[in-house]
Amino acid sequence: DQQVKQNSPSLSVQEGRISILNCDYTNSMFDYFLWYKKYPAEGPTFLISISSIKDKNEDGRFTVFLNKSAKHLSLHIVPSQPGDSAVYFCAAKGSVGYALNFGKGTSLLVTP
Amino acid sequence: DAGVTQSPTHLIKTRGQQVTLRCSPKSGHDTVSWYQQALGQGPQFIFQYYEEEERQRGNFPDRFSGHQFPNYSSELNVNALLLGDSALYLCASSSTLSGGRYNEQFFGPGTRLTVL
Repeated sequence: DQQVKQNSPSLSVQEGRISILNCDYTNSMFDYFLWYKKYPAEGPTFLISISSIKDKNEDGRFTVFLNKSAKHLSLHIVPSQPGDSAVYFCAAKGSVGYALNFGKGTSLLVTP
Repeated sequence: DAGVTQSPTHLIKTRGQQVTLRCSPKSGHDTVSWYQQALGQGPQFIFQYYEEEERQRGNFPDRFSGHQFPNYSSELNVNALLLGDSALYLCASSSTLSGGRYNEQFFGPGTRLTVL
């Protein structure tokens, strides 16, 4: 059963515009959420995270929003750059244990 | 500072064979996790090793086993390979000294296993 869902397999955005990637989760025991970026032939790279006690976390061009009541989080990239083109994975960690639970990923293409 | 390294890069095996994949964690890291990423899927947690013991295991059969050595490097062993074991196997390392349970996991580039 997929506990972390990324329902958009792909997204195309023009350079300079905002990219919004969405993620839903079903397990209410998840209390820490992360976004990873993956380029071909490389491992996932940590991008940004958010604890369940917060509803927003910013790091430069990247902002993650968490809506606990809706079990939904989103990653905003502003402004988008061609180098942001990659697969983005949403991941969640439970209040007990160490495993990261990943979504299937969203492939972002930023066009010039 | 070398990041997480994995070997080999690619591997081709036939059904029923056994395979060993290797991982060296990032310098200063003491914990290693293994993930399986099938085509079109996100990484799935296999298990995590800390202090040479399996600390947590995901929903994978006993054919999947591992080991962690005193230098923190790790091996993933898969016995009686099935076609469905074809995937990218990712190793991730982290440090228990930074962030506690919320310590960041750094991933290696993975080993692409093909089972024919």
